Amino acid sequence: EIVLTQSPGTLSLSPGERATLSCRASQSVRSNHLAWYQQKPGQAPRPLMFGASLRATGIPDRFSGSGSGTDFTLTISRVEPEDFAVYYCQQYGGSPITFGQGTRLEIK
Amino acid sequence: QVQLQESGPGLVKPSETLSLTCTVSGGSINSFYWSWIRQSPGKGLEWLGYIYYSGSTDYSPSLKSRLTISLDTSKNQFSLRLSSVTAADTAVYYCARNQLLPLDVFNHWGQGTMVTVSS
Repeated sequence: EIVLTQSPGTLSLSPGERATLSCRASQSVRSNHLAWYQQKPGQAPRPLMFGASLRATGIPDRFSGSGSGTDFTLTISRVEPEDFAVYYCQQYGGSPITFGQGTRLEIK
Repeated sequence: QVQLQESGPGLVKPSETLSLTCTVSGGSINSFYWSWIRQSPGKGLEWLGYIYYSGSTDYSPSLKSRLTISLDTSKNQFSLRLSSVTAADTAVYYCARNQLLPLDVFNHWGQGTMVTVSS
């Protein structure tokens, strides 16, 4: 089973700042099958990125993903007020599918 | 736009079987892979397993002995049965549709249903 470790646990930023979230895998993720989700309280996770760097439908271009192998990054170029939420990475390169423990993006 | 809706009891007694159904609307269940995922404070997001419209399944090894996922194409529904539940199975349960592959990103989710295991 691939273990995903996200850092930091909490990221405190002001609107307009750049956010960099990390996801590290315990072993290489096949074909960079790595996705990112955003979750707000009381809602289901919303897909942001897949294939490490491809934006899901309707996701604004201030969100970008990068990385390969075991190290992946989600970047929000300029954080908007609606971006404060919890972010999860997920690998789907092998079974079982696994998720990271999440990074909380909070208002500074 | 495809929509998914979970339904089932919100309270289950320890050692009993948890049963949930996901109703799919806005699209046919006769294609794609359909998954169950749960979220608990202690374990975060956990993939449980998937079913294909053909009936093929894959389950998380940690739950394989207790979990069954099935589907009813006539009702456009798929279901989860988890036997011998304990307090550790208390979670919000989500049904979801895979983007395309058996192992894939989940691009459509239900709103989730909270299940508490308690006597």
